[in-house]
Amino acid sequence: DQQVKQNSPSLSVQEGRISILNCDYTNSMFDYFLWYKKYPAEGPTFLISISSIKDKNEDGRFTVFLNKSAKHLSLHIVPSQPGDSAVYFCAADELTFGQGTILTVHP
Amino acid sequence: DAGITQSPRHKVTETGTPVTLRCHQTENHRYMYWYRQDPGHGLRLIHYSYGVKDTDKGEVSDGYSVSRSKTEDFLLTLESATSSQTSVYFCAISDGSSGYGYTFGSGTRLTVV
Repeated sequence: DQQVKQNSPSLSVQEGRISILNCDYTNSMFDYFLWYKKYPAEGPTFLISISSIKDKNEDGRFTVFLNKSAKHLSLHIVPSQPGDSAVYFCAADELTFGQGTILTVHP
Repeated sequence: DAGITQSPRHKVTETGTPVTLRCHQTENHRYMYWYRQDPGHGLRLIHYSYGVKDTDKGEVSDGYSVSRSKTEDFLLTLESATSSQTSVYFCAISDGSSGYGYTFGSGTRLTVV
């Protein structure tokens, strides 16, 4: 039973616009949530995290929002750039990963 | 990736043969992990290690074994490879700090024919 789910397999966005990637989870005991970015033929790289006691964490163009009541988190990328095109994974407590969302940013 | 290397990068093997994948780190991190990545499943944990000779099973450990005789090396063995084990395998390392993510290797693409 998948505890972390990314229900959108893909997302296409125009350069300069906002990208919003979503993730749902089932276990309310998770302490941390993380986002990773993965380019083809490379391993995932850590992007940003959020503690379960916070509802927002920002790092440059990347912001993660956590809605504990809805068991939902999202990653906002503003403004989106073509170099952001990659697969994005959300993860909980660094052991449980979602299926990934392919983000394509068009010039 | 800096501090972590996986070998081989690509391998094709026949059904029923044993296969060993190697993960080597130079960061002296305590924790090491093996994941597999498959379409529609994301990354799934196979086994992990929390110290030399200390290992535990993950979500999809059947058909796999691991060994860690030195801090820097974590080996994943497919005892008798099957076509369902065709996948991309990633090793990751961590110092155990929460919320800072893992460092992943570049992956091994394994094809079982």
